[in-house]
Amino acid sequence: DAGVIQSPRHEVTEMGQEVTLRCKPISGHNSLFWYRQTMMRGLELLIYFNNNVPIDDSGMPEDRFSAKMPNASFSTLKIQPSEPRDSAVYFCASGRPPTTEAFFGQGTRLTVV
Amino acid sequence: AQSVTQLGSHVSVSEGALVLLRCNYSSSVPPYLFWYVQYPNQGLQLLLKYTTGATLVKGINGFEAEFKKSETSFHLTKPSAHMSDAAEYFCAVSDNQAGTALIFGKGTTLSVSS
Repeated sequence: DAGVIQSPRHEVTEMGQEVTLRCKPISGHNSLFWYRQTMMRGLELLIYFNNNVPIDDSGMPEDRFSAKMPNASFSTLKIQPSEPRDSAVYFCASGRPPTTEAFFGQGTRLTVV
Repeated sequence: AQSVTQLGSHVSVSEGALVLLRCNYSSSVPPYLFWYVQYPNQGLQLLLKYTTGATLVKGINGFEAEFKKSETSFHLTKPSAHMSDAAEYFCAVSDNQAGTALIFGKGTTLSVSS
């Protein structure tokens, strides 16, 4: 099992640019979660999907953020336009009922300059 | 709404000493509770979880935690710290059904000195 795969691992971009983060969940998992980790705010839930359907996006900070899950094996988190305060580590995680825990990817470290 | 409070952002112990990391939760429904560990530049790894049944749960690397409903607590312990335990530890809570999101505390950094 390859685990949750996120790409890229590191991204440096200029303010105002569009950024797309990608996630491949573990095969067979039907829950997918996007989290953001910063020193100040810790781990924040941004959005999660069940069976490719967004269930709760109340954690998405602004309209600049959007997430999609076009199929069971792929999800994207897009920031457009990016700002320096978006700099953080973004984690994707997946799960499969009846298993209750989430399995995390290695994260994408985003730096917006 | 659910929330988790981890008391102490940084805990330091000596090698061989008891490790105690504190976690209190707030939940409107019987919760599922989790402890995760994060090593530098890595993702989070599950240490242990409580869903139902026995309130004392054992996890990997010698860690255990006890669910105390009356105290709304789920503290993590290990009898004897090892240098390799140095990491950041996160407590999390979710609704009592699979497929719901985990809500995390702000984390506790554990340092272990020789």
